[in-house]
Amino acid sequence: DAGVIQSPRHEVTEMGQEVTLRCKPISGHNSLFWYRQTMMRGLELLIYFNNNVPIDDSGMPEDRFSAKMPNASFSTLKIQPSEPRDSAVYFCASSLGRQNNYGYTFGSGTRLTVV
Amino acid sequence: KNQVEQSPQSLIILEGKNCTLQCNYTVSPFSNLRWYKQDTGRGPVSLTIMTFSENTKSNGRYTATLDADTKQSSLHITASQLSDSASYICVVTPYGNKLVFGAGTILRVKS
Repeated sequence: DAGVIQSPRHEVTEMGQEVTLRCKPISGHNSLFWYRQTMMRGLELLIYFNNNVPIDDSGMPEDRFSAKMPNASFSTLKIQPSEPRDSAVYFCASSLGRQNNYGYTFGSGTRLTVV
Repeated sequence: KNQVEQSPQSLIILEGKNCTLQCNYTVSPFSNLRWYKQDTGRGPVSLTIMTFSENTKSNGRYTATLDADTKQSSLHITASQLSDSASYICVVTPYGNKLVFGAGTILRVKS
């Protein structure tokens, strides 16, 4: 198993541009999570899906952020328009259940820089 | 408010030495507590998991302890290696709620 696959690994974009981050979870995992990590705030949950359905998006900072999971093997996190304060590492994780009981598998992350 | 506090914030030790990282939490009740290791440029990887009724769990040179009475956990690393240099994150899972992450301890092992 290749694990959770995220793309791109690095993204540099200009303020105001649209950014799309992609994630392929581990096959068979039914929960998918998007996290943001910064030095100041650590890891923050943005949104999570269970069986492709968004369950909790209360961590999404504002309407500029949106996430979709059209099928069990693919999810996107979109920022439109992007702002410099969105610069962070964005992680996707998947698991067999909603809780941490089965353990999360994290992807390698996408380092986003908005200039 | 559910919180997880980790100490120290950062730590430098010599290769071969032991070290202990601390995690204090206010989350209650909770389902489990995990320690994650995050290498630079990578996602976190789970090292140990303990339920509230467990006191200790080992994974090679890593040993985690849990004291549910004092709401403290520690991660002990024995005979450190250069590859142990990473950030170590304590994560508590409340029942039916979002995970609560600590800010992490950055460990650097020097030769």
